[in-house]
Amino acid sequence: KAGVTQTPRYLIKTRGQQVTLSCSPISGHRSVSWYQQTPGQGLQFLFEYFSETQRNKGNFPGRFSGRQFSNSRSEMNVSTLELGDSALYLCASSSGGTTDTQYFGPGTRLTVL
Amino acid sequence: QKEVEQDPGPLSVPEGAIVSLNCTYSNSAFQYFMWYRQYSRKGPELLMYTYSSGNKEDGRFTAQVDKSSKYISLFIRDSQPSDSATYLCATTRKAGTALIFGKGTTLSVSS
Repeated sequence: KAGVTQTPRYLIKTRGQQVTLSCSPISGHRSVSWYQQTPGQGLQFLFEYFSETQRNKGNFPGRFSGRQFSNSRSEMNVSTLELGDSALYLCASSSGGTTDTQYFGPGTRLTVL
Repeated sequence: QKEVEQDPGPLSVPEGAIVSLNCTYSNSAFQYFMWYRQYSRKGPELLMYTYSSGNKEDGRFTAQVDKSSKYISLFIRDSQPSDSATYLCATTRKAGTALIFGKGTTLSVSS
C-alpha cells in the first residue's frame, strides 16, 4: 500500500503571497490531519478533515485554511504569508476508526522570504 | 505549562547501550500514547501505540505508560547507529482527535 504523499516537497515564497499544499492519504483512509512543525514550537495541530468536513481545528489564525475532496485528498492554503510561517507542514492520514493511528507523509518544507 | 514536556537532549550513547526516553504530560484525560521516530528531512514514523497504562514491547522497543504519575517512557535495547533520529512522544484524549506532541528528543548512537 502506498503511503501518504505530499506535494510539493519544497516551496519558497515571499511575504504576502499565498500558498496551497496538497496531501494524498493512504488508500482507504478518510481522515486527514495537518500539522506545522517548527524548531521553536515543535509539531502543532492545524486541522483535521473527515469525509470532506472539518472535524477539529487547532489554534491558528484564519489565514490557514483547508479542504478535503470526495476522494479524501486534502489541500491546505495559507494566505498573506508571514516570515513566521516558514515551517515543515505535515499531513497525517488515518482510517477515522476507533484505533485511528495517524500515519505521516514526508512533509512540505515552506520557506517564506 | 505545556501539555506534554519532553527533554530535547541531545542524547549521545554508544552502540549497544540501552536508551531511555521520557515525557510527562499534564492532562489526566489523555488516554492514547504514541512514540514517533523522525529522521532528518522525513516525516514522523509511528513506532509504538499504547492505550491507557501498561507496557508494550516490539522487538528492541518497549513503551511504558504510568497514568498515575503522568509519565511516558520509551526504552531502546541494543541501540544501533540507525536508531539515530529525533523521537517524539504524542498523546490524545480520544482516537480521532488532535495529537499533542512533545518537542522531541534527538538521539545519536555512535558505532
